[in-house]
Amino acid sequence: TQLLEQSPQFLSIQEGENLTVYCNSSSVFSSLQWYRQEPGEGPVLLVTVVTGGEVKKLKRLTFQFGDARKDSSLHITAAQPGDTGLYLCAGVTRPTGGGNKLTFGTGTQLKVEL
Amino acid sequence: EPEVTQTPSHQVTQMGQEVILRCVPISNHLYFYWYRQILGQKVEFLVSFYNNEISEKSEIFDDQFSVERPDGSNFTLKIRSTKLEDSAMYFCASSQSSYNSPLHFGNGTRLTVT
Repeated sequence: TQLLEQSPQFLSIQEGENLTVYCNSSSVFSSLQWYRQEPGEGPVLLVTVVTGGEVKKLKRLTFQFGDARKDSSLHITAAQPGDTGLYLCAGVTRPTGGGNKLTFGTGTQLKVEL
Repeated sequence: EPEVTQTPSHQVTQMGQEVILRCVPISNHLYFYWYRQILGQKVEFLVSFYNNEISEKSEIFDDQFSVERPDGSNFTLKIRSTKLEDSAMYFCASSQSSYNSPLHFGNGTRLTVT
């Protein structure tokens, strides 16, 4: 069974602070995706990382894929209240029948306060 | 921007009843998925569907579950005889292609089994 553990589970910080969320896996995935989920909505893709050691930036968000493609991190610089939400990592595997199967992490609930 | 739509947003049913959850994926997408999220738990893969066939299913997707694409636009999840533990948020998703393609999620159907 593939498991992805995220830490921390909950994070409450002040506007302007930096934070890092970690996603650790017992398995290697073909790629890893980060999603953000708002209450009452489905997850929305932020980024896909594919290559071991890859770093991707999305404005104030920096995503890194570990060299062994088993772990990843999300770093947010100067957090804003609009960053509040549930952040989910998801390991991607490819069923033989096609498509992408996502194994979601346990989630990190971020709250950024003024 | 095209989106995945799900109906109903909330379904309440009695234990033992059949329910059908409906989804309209994005029109040019080829791969379709159902995920569920029990309250307070992580998002879990149920099934993927491609070319009118199930390409992969999880252990959760037992004989009580079935999926269908009846008319080329709708994608449905049927639970034949609901149990209390089926209460969850059910998310439909679709993707355009197979390789690392992002999944686009609907806003979910909250199923409550009483």
